[in-house]
Amino acid sequence: AQTVTQSQPEMSVQEAETVTLSCTYDTSESNYYLFWYKQPPSRQMILVIRQEAYKQQNATENRFSVNFQKAAKSFSLKISDSQLGDTAMYFCAFMTRNAGGTSYGKLTFGQGTILTVHP
Amino acid sequence: EPEVTQTPSHQVTQMGQEVILRCVPISNHLYFYWYRQILGQKVEFLVSFYNNEISEKSEIFDDQFSVERPDGSNFTLKIRSTKLEDSAMYFCVSIAGKNTEAFFGQGTRLTVV
Repeated sequence: AQTVTQSQPEMSVQEAETVTLSCTYDTSESNYYLFWYKQPPSRQMILVIRQEAYKQQNATENRFSVNFQKAAKSFSLKISDSQLGDTAMYFCAFMTRNAGGTSYGKLTFGQGTILTVHP
Repeated sequence: EPEVTQTPSHQVTQMGQEVILRCVPISNHLYFYWYRQILGQKVEFLVSFYNNEISEKSEIFDDQFSVERPDGSNFTLKIRSTKLEDSAMYFCVSIAGKNTEAFFGQGTRLTVV
């Protein structure tokens, strides 16, 4: 079974600064996806960024980037030039890619990190 | 852009009552899931559904829960006799199958009183 751990229950950052959210995971699989989701107060789940485990290059989406360390099973999210609208709960999630297996596409989430961006 | 639609957005029900949460997944998707999030806590997997049957279910998904896709479009989660601890946000997710991009519905907030 997969586990995902986010060790920072809360983080805060000043507007325009950079913040890094941590995530570690445990799995015996070699082929999987990792995601960061943003959940604002509306509680909608918004995909921020995703990383395919077989790709060595770290994913980037505008101000959001990841540091994926496969051997260490670490997947951190860096938010650059933080904006007030980035204030939300952030979840790290693991998805199995075991095609044909019963767990295909199942997401396992971490506990979440509440990020507050201060003006 | 295609989207997953969930209804209702908010439901209040008396303890012991049955509730049905509805989801319309994206039409050509093959894999469907329900997740639950108790307020302030992490998102938990409930059940996955493929080829008109349950492919995996969690320990949370006991005999009080059932899922079905009766007409090939709507995907429903039924809770037969709700408990106070069933109060949560319930998310429906669908995946095409060719890639593993998960499309979330906007969620149904269930409040059991």
